[in-house]
Amino acid sequence: AQSVSQHNHHVILSEAASLELGCNYSYGGTVNLFWYVQYPGQHLQLLLKYFSGDPLVKGIKGFEAEFIKSKFSFNLRKPSVQWSDTAEYFCAVNGGYQKVTFGTGTKLQVIP
Amino acid sequence: EAQVTQNPRYLITVTGKKLTVTCSQNMNHEYMSWYRQDPGLGLRQIYYSMNVEVTDKGDVPEGYKVSRKEKRNFPLILESPSPNQTSLYFCASSFERGDTQYFGPGTRLTVL
Repeated sequence: AQSVSQHNHHVILSEAASLELGCNYSYGGTVNLFWYVQYPGQHLQLLLKYFSGDPLVKGIKGFEAEFIKSKFSFNLRKPSVQWSDTAEYFCAVNGGYQKVTFGTGTKLQVIP
Repeated sequence: EAQVTQNPRYLITVTGKKLTVTCSQNMNHEYMSWYRQDPGLGLRQIYYSMNVEVTDKGDVPEGYKVSRKEKRNFPLILESPSPNQTSLYFCASSFERGDTQYFGPGTRLTVL
């Protein structure tokens, strides 16, 4: 069965600091990888995704993620966070199954 | 506007009283899914549907039922709700399996 691990449960950063959120998955085959974001009081929306091709993908609001197949990782990065990035971030994996597996989420708090 | 709608948005009920949470999408998506979100556990899939009349269990199906009689609708049914089903529920849809999911606004359910 596929699984997803997000090691950082709660991250607190000051504005302008750099961000990296870890995501590791377990599945031996081809995967589709996603990062979703949930702003306070809102529903989840797609931040970025990787299906194939260039392992460095860029998403909205300056976020990017790098797929490293050998490490089964898909870490999310942003060079300089803003207060408006305060949200909960979910990594998700879709392997050979019909269903998608989400990580437990990382709450990011950005202090002005 | 392309969207996934859920109703009701908030619901307080008592143990054993049957309830239905509706979900509808206007994007002609084939794949629909229900998740519950609990603190520290992230999103866990309850049921999903590949197409009309095709449904399957997710990771936490116990105590829930679904149906997919029309492409646009995917209601979640709790025949006999219990307090451990108190949670935040999200419906989602995508064009096909493994694709980007579009989430509804969520339904916050409290079972007393």
